[in-house]
Amino acid sequence: DTGVSQNPRHKITKRGQNVTFRCDPISEHNRLYWYRQTLGQGPEFLTYFQNEAQLEKSRLLSDRFSAERPKGSFSTLEIQRTEQGDSAMYLCASSLAFSYNEQFFGPGTRLTVL
Amino acid sequence: QKEVEQDPGPLSVPEGAIVSLNCTYSNSAFQYFMWYRQYSRKGPELLMYTYSSGNKEDGRFTAQVDKSSKYISLFIRDSQPSDSATYLCAMSPLIQGAQKLVFGQGTRLTINP
Repeated sequence: DTGVSQNPRHKITKRGQNVTFRCDPISEHNRLYWYRQTLGQGPEFLTYFQNEAQLEKSRLLSDRFSAERPKGSFSTLEIQRTEQGDSAMYLCASSLAFSYNEQFFGPGTRLTVL
Repeated sequence: QKEVEQDPGPLSVPEGAIVSLNCTYSNSAFQYFMWYRQYSRKGPELLMYTYSSGNKEDGRFTAQVDKSSKYISLFIRDSQPSDSATYLCAMSPLIQGAQKLVFGQGTRLTINP
C-alpha cells in the first residue's frame, strides 16, 4: 500500500494522559498536513510541514499539542494532558511540492478521551 | 459566518437519480476547489479538483464552479448505492505550493437501492 498511513487507528485514553500519533506520508511527498475532524464537521487545519520544517500552525493547536517531522519523513502529533474536548479524528495528509495542493489523506486516528 | 458553507443534509435519493451537492464560500481568494468523498470512519478520498470556472467531468461526476456567485457544485449521474457517503467540498487560494484546505461541513448522502 503506497498511500498515507496512520497509527494507531484508534486510541482510548483517560483525561490527563499524553498520547502520540504517527503519520507516514506517500514516499515522494514532501509536504505533510495535520487536520482534526469532529463528528458531523469537515476537517479543520492544524499544522503543516515542508520537509522537516513546520511552516504554519493553526490557533486550534494549543500549547498542549506538538508536532514533529524529523528528517522530513514520518510525522508525530503529541497531545499532552488530554481533555475530553480533544476527542476527534486526527487526519494526516500529504502532497507533492509542486502540485496544485492535491492533498491525499490517511485513514485517520480516532481519539476518545474518557 | 464560516468561510465555506455546505448543507449537511442528510440527502436520500433512489438509485439512478442525479444528485446535486453544493457549497458556497465567502473568501474571494479561494481559486482552487476540490471534492472529497468520505465513507464512515475513513479518511477523505479526493474525487475531483478544479481551478477554473465552468464544468469538469470525470465519469459519472461533474464539478461545476461559478466564481462570480462563489458557488460550487458536484453532480453525480446514475447514482449507485456505493456512492452513499459524506461529500466534502474543500478550497484554497490558487498559489502553487502548500496551502491549508478549508472544508465545508460535509453532506451526508444515501442512495437507496
